[in-house]
Amino acid sequence: GIQVEQSPPDLILQEGANSTLRCNFSDSVNNLQWFHQNPWGQLINLFYIPSGTKQNGRLSATTVATERYSLLYISSSQTTDSGVYFCASWTASGGSYIPTFGRGTSLIVHP
Amino acid sequence: DTGVSQDPRHKITKRGQNVTFRCDPISEHNRLYWYRQTLGQGPEFLTYFQNEAQLEKSRLLSDRFSAERPKGSFSTLEIQRTEQGDSAMYLCASSARDRGYEQYFGPGTRLTVT
Repeated sequence: GIQVEQSPPDLILQEGANSTLRCNFSDSVNNLQWFHQNPWGQLINLFYIPSGTKQNGRLSATTVATERYSLLYISSSQTTDSGVYFCASWTASGGSYIPTFGRGTSLIVHP
Repeated sequence: DTGVSQDPRHKITKRGQNVTFRCDPISEHNRLYWYRQTLGQGPEFLTYFQNEAQLEKSRLLSDRFSAERPKGSFSTLEIQRTEQGDSAMYLCASSARDRGYEQYFGPGTRLTVT
């Protein structure tokens, strides 16, 4: 199956700083999502981005499918951005469809 | 659109007991997924349904685990003869073809086996 690696595993920022989270995947995919998991365990959709670039407020994401990576940018970070960020990728081929998550990037934003 | 719901939110059980969890997907979402997440790890895929058909099962899904989606709407996940290693967060997600199969997650059921 597809392997998904996220970096860095941990990130500590001061409020207001910018950051870039990376997701590498081992094979070509046609689906990719970024999630934020809050302290209560709820996975919140950030972006569905199999290719290209999207922006939503202070967050943006870029996926370069041909080079097998995706980036999540957080600008002007806030304490509420703290939590774990996951990317998940999957492909649908031959009827098989198994989403694979990375191990996540744990982000702490200090006031 | 009320979101994905899961019940119960927390379950504490003794080793050897059976437990059943329920997931109600977003209405009209034809795909439904079950995942398991342990501390410090990302969610691990267990199984998924398209309508009422179970199309994929992970090797993580041992014989003690069974999932159903009898009418293509809600789904249940049953764990028989629970073991301490089954303690985890069990997550459900749903998706629809007309939204590119973007997944929407429920709040999860946290299982503790004592």
